[in-house]
Amino acid sequence: AQSVTQPDIHITVSEGASLELRCNYSYGATPYLFWYVQSPGQGLQLLLKYFSGDTLVQGIKGFEAEFKRSQSSFNLRKPSVHWSDAAEYFCAVGEDKLSFGAGTTVTVRA
Amino acid sequence: NAGVTQTPKFQVLKTGQSMTLQCAQDMNHEYMSWYRQDPGMGLRLIHYSVGAGITDQGEVPNGYNVSRSTTEDFPLRLLSAAPSQTSVYFCASSSDYGIGADTQYFGPGTRLTVL
Repeated sequence: AQSVTQPDIHITVSEGASLELRCNYSYGATPYLFWYVQSPGQGLQLLLKYFSGDTLVQGIKGFEAEFKRSQSSFNLRKPSVHWSDAAEYFCAVGEDKLSFGAGTTVTVRA
Repeated sequence: NAGVTQTPKFQVLKTGQSMTLQCAQDMNHEYMSWYRQDPGMGLRLIHYSVGAGITDQGEVPNGYNVSRSTTEDFPLRLLSAAPSQTSVYFCASSSDYGIGADTQYFGPGTRLTVL
């Protein structure tokens, strides 16, 4: 069965500091991996996705994620956080059916 | 394109009432799905459809019905609402079955409260 674990429920980061959100997955084959962001009261927006190829994936809003098969991880990073990055972030795995992690809430302090 | 639209945005029901959450997309996507989002649990798949006339169950289908008579619309029906169905509901669509080929686009959500 496929599943996703996001170990950090809540992260607080200062504006301008770097951010890393962890994601570990369980999947039987080559995984399709996604990161979504949800701003308060909004739907989900795709940040980036990994299907195959280069293990470092670039996304929108300056985010990137690295797929590490040996660690079953797909961590999301951003070098310098902006106040507008405060949101909830979801990692997901799957092909025809997505399984989502519980999410990580990011708070940005001035 | 409007993308994926959902109505209503908010709804309050009493236990035992029925209602239909509407979802429509104008991208000619074959694949549509319904998720519910609960605190600390992420999104869980309720039902999905790979094309008009074809639906299947997801992870948490009990208490919900779906049908897909057209490519554009994928309504979710609650036959007899229960407090456990209080949640935020998201509809999503993508162009292919086997979403490795494409991205799922999400609607803005419907916030449902069952008293």
